[in-house]
Amino acid sequence: AQKVTQAQTEISVVEKEDVTLDCVYETRDTTYYLFWYKQPPSGELVFLIRRNSFDEQNEISGRYSWNFQKSTSSFNFTITASQVVDSAVYFCALSEGYSGGGADGLTFGKGTHLIIQP
Amino acid sequence: DGGITQSPKYLFRKEGQNVTLSCEQNLNHDAMYWYRQDPGQGLRLIYYSQIVNDFQKGDIAEGYSVSREKKESFPLTVTSAQKNPTAFYLCASRRDREVAFFGQGTRLTVV
Repeated sequence: AQKVTQAQTEISVVEKEDVTLDCVYETRDTTYYLFWYKQPPSGELVFLIRRNSFDEQNEISGRYSWNFQKSTSSFNFTITASQVVDSAVYFCALSEGYSGGGADGLTFGKGTHLIIQP
Repeated sequence: DGGITQSPKYLFRKEGQNVTLSCEQNLNHDAMYWYRQDPGQGLRLIYYSQIVNDFQKGDIAEGYSVSREKKESFPLTVTSAQKNPTAFYLCASRRDREVAFFGQGTRLTVV
C-alpha cells in the first residue's frame, strides 16, 4: 500500500525566510508519480508540480524548488524568500503507476500548514 | 474555460437526511474522484470512477453513494448512514496519471 508522510503539521516563519516542507513516501511500485498541491484559505487545491519516478532532477520555478531523492524516498519542497501570500496548507501526494489494482487515486499526506508572518 | 464545478459551496443537512453534492467537469477526463477533508486528516478517498457507468469504493466509502451516468458528471450522495458527515468535500478529475484538477469544494454541515 502506498503512503505519504508529511511530518510537519505546522510551520511558522517570518517573511523573506527560506522554508522547506518535507515529504516522505512509501510505495512498492517502480513507476509512480509525486505531486505537490497548495490549498489557500479558499479551499481549492492548486497544482504546483508533478514528478515521475524516473526523473530525479531537481526543479526550480521562481522561488519554488523541489528536491526528489529516491534513495531516501523523499520529495521536499523549498520556498525561497517566503512571502505572506505563500501562507497556505501544502499537500504532497503519490500516485502509483501501472501495476494494476488499488484505488488509482492520489494518496495524500496530511498536509503542512505554512504561516508566513509579515 | 475548462474546469471542474462543484455545487453548492455550502450545504446544511439535517439529521437523517440524504443530500447530494454535484460535480461537473468539461475537461474530457475519464477519471473522477471524491475526497473528504477533515482538519488535520488530509484528503481521504471516498469513491472514484475511471469510466462511465463504473465506479469503485475508496478508503472511506461507507455512508456514501455515487453514480456516473455521464462522463462529465459524478454526483456524491451523503446518506443518513454516514454518522459524521460534517466535512469539506473535494471533487477531482484526471486523465491517466496526469495532474488531477480539483473543484472549489463543498462544505457540508449537519444541523
